[in-house]
Amino acid sequence: KAGVTQTPRYLIKTRGQQVTLSCSPISGHRSVSWYQQTPGQGLQFLFEYFSETQRNKGNFPGRFSGRQFSNSRSEMNVSTLELGDSALYLCASSFGTSNTGELFFGEGSRLTVL
Amino acid sequence: AQSVTQLGSHVSVSEGALVLLRCNYSSSVPPYLFWYVQYPNQGLQLLLKYTSAATLVKGINGFEAEFKKSETSFHLTKPSAHMSDAAEYFCAVSDLNFGNEKLTFGTGTRLTIIP
Repeated sequence: KAGVTQTPRYLIKTRGQQVTLSCSPISGHRSVSWYQQTPGQGLQFLFEYFSETQRNKGNFPGRFSGRQFSNSRSEMNVSTLELGDSALYLCASSFGTSNTGELFFGEGSRLTVL
Repeated sequence: AQSVTQLGSHVSVSEGALVLLRCNYSSSVPPYLFWYVQYPNQGLQLLLKYTSAATLVKGINGFEAEFKKSETSFHLTKPSAHMSDAAEYFCAVSDLNFGNEKLTFGTGTRLTIIP
């Protein structure tokens, strides 16, 4: 069974640009959650999608957005990039909602903003 | 909202020694609790989870954790550390409150094993 796949793995952008990250969950999983990981801050919850609907959203500005497609694949977008957006962005999938079950994480997309 | 506190951002133990990583949660109602491990350049993977079935939870790779309601703690232990245990460990709590259901992670503890 294939795991969670995130693309791209590494990317470099400059301030003001926008970026789209992709996440393919494990087959059959309906929930996709996104987290931002930075040194010292741990994992900060961005949002969760379940069956194409956003269930919950973390405390991030509106520049951060996401969506989920009918095949459960998810994308997140960050517009008008700032230096502070440099981080590892992790996607996790689960069969049920994220707060009740085991999350399966991808290896992440490491974003560097110059 | 639920929160977890992990005491000690860095812990070093000698190979073969006891591993103890501390986690305290904020809720007065027993929530779901998890420990995840992250190896270098990888995503997180689940070590173990507490869902009220038993207070002592056994996980993978010889790790276990004990839920103590009186202390609001869920510390992770392993009797004998192995070099392969070097990684970052995250405690997480599940918020079941309507409208805020999500998993909240602690800031992590980096475990170093001394040969």
